[in-house]
Amino acid sequence: GNSVTQMEGPVTLSEEAFLTINCTYTATGYPSLFWYVQYPGEGLQLLLKATKADDKGSNKGFEATYRKETTSFHLEKGSVQVSDSAVYFCALSEGTGGSYIPTFGRGTSLIVHP
Amino acid sequence: GAVVSQHPSWVICKSGTSVKIECRSLDFQATTMFWYRQFPKQSLMLMATSNEGSKATYEQGVEKDKFLINHASLTLSTLTVTSAHPEDSSFYICSAAKGLENFNEQFFGPGTRLTVL
Repeated sequence: GNSVTQMEGPVTLSEEAFLTINCTYTATGYPSLFWYVQYPGEGLQLLLKATKADDKGSNKGFEATYRKETTSFHLEKGSVQVSDSAVYFCALSEGTGGSYIPTFGRGTSLIVHP
Repeated sequence: GAVVSQHPSWVICKSGTSVKIECRSLDFQATTMFWYRQFPKQSLMLMATSNEGSKATYEQGVEKDKFLINHASLTLSTLTVTSAHPEDSSFYICSAAKGLENFNEQFFGPGTRLTVL
C-alpha cells in the first residue's frame, strides 16, 4: 500500500536558518504530492504541491521537488521565521477508479526561535 | 478559491449524548469528502470517505454505527458521533475534493475540537 515517511521532530532552528524536512513515499502508481501546514489549534492548509515527476512546488519561500528516482519530496526554506513554527505534513494522493486515497505522514513539528 | 467550513469549531458535551459536526464546501461542489481524526501531536487518521448520495466508506477499525456520516449534497457532509464517550474526545477535521481529474487535492476545514465530559 501507499505510505509516507517524514523525519521525526521536533525540528528546532534559529530565525533565518535553513530548513529541510525530509519526506519519502511509496506508491503503486503516480501520485500527486503535497505539503500541508498546521498551525496550533487549526486545520491543515495546503502549502505547496507537485503533480508529476520533476515538478517543483513553491509557496511563501518554501520549496519541494517531486523526485521520482528517489521517491522523495523534501521541504526546504532558505531562511525560516518565527511565524513558520507549525507542524508540517507530507502527503500523497492517488486516484484509483475515480476515488481518492489520501495518505499522510506523521507530521514534523518545526520550532523557530528568535 | 476553495473554502471549507466546519461547524461547530468546538463543542463540549456530556457522556452519552450525540454530537453532529457539519462540513461545508462554500464555493465549490465537492464530489468527495473525507473525515479525519487527529490525536494530540499525531497525524491525521482517515476515518471515512463519503461521496454525495452514497454510503460512506469507513476505514478499518472505525465503527460506522458510532460515527454516522451523511453526505446529502455536493456541499454538505455531516459526522454524528453517537453516544459520545470521553475517549471520543479529539480534533475532527473534514476535507473536500473538487474532483478535477488528477489533481486529487483536498481542501481542509478548520477542524472541530470535541471534548466529552
